[in-house]
Amino acid sequence: TQLLEQSPQFLSIQEGENLTVYCNSSSVFSSLQWYRQEPGEGPVLLVTVVTGGEVKKLKRLTFQFGDARKDSSLHITAAQPGDTGLYLCAGLSTSTGANSKLTFGKGITLSVRP
Amino acid sequence: DTEVTQTPKHLVMGMTNKKSLKCEQHMGHRAMYWYKQKAKKPPELMFVYSYEKLSINESVPSRFSPECPNSSLLNLHLHALQPEDSALYLCASSQELGQAFLAFFGQGTRLTVV
Repeated sequence: TQLLEQSPQFLSIQEGENLTVYCNSSSVFSSLQWYRQEPGEGPVLLVTVVTGGEVKKLKRLTFQFGDARKDSSLHITAAQPGDTGLYLCAGLSTSTGANSKLTFGKGITLSVRP
Repeated sequence: DTEVTQTPKHLVMGMTNKKSLKCEQHMGHRAMYWYKQKAKKPPELMFVYSYEKLSINESVPSRFSPECPNSSLLNLHLHALQPEDSALYLCASSQELGQAFLAFFGQGTRLTVV
């Protein structure tokens, strides 16, 4: 079973601060996805990273895929209250026959105080 | 149209009731998924359909019965549920089975079993 560990589990920061959160595994993934989920809603896809070492930017969010495709980080610059939510990373297995399954991490609950 | 629509948004049912959850997408996606998500936990895969055929059943109890009547619709029939089945049920779709990382999620149905 491929596991994704996300850290920290909970994070509460002041508006305007920067933060970095992590998604780590001992397994190699063909891709990693980051989702943001608000209470009672479905996850919304933020980004997919596919190539080892890849960096993608989405406004104030910067995503990086590790060189070995086992880990990823999400950096938020100047966090805003609207960034509050559950951040989930999910990996697509490299194993044949399992490529239809996303493995989710437990998520990071981010709270940005005004 | 890039939406996955789930109905109802909220459902309260007794342990002897029979109810159904519905999911609809008009993006021409041929893979559709049911996930279950408990509070503060990541989504857990339940079923995967590919071209209207059941492809994956993650050992889900038979009180949950999926159905895919056509390429746009996915149902989840519920019967004799237990209070521990209360959760957010998420539907997702992707272009093909091997593209789970490009899945769009619906907003979910919040199910409460009393």
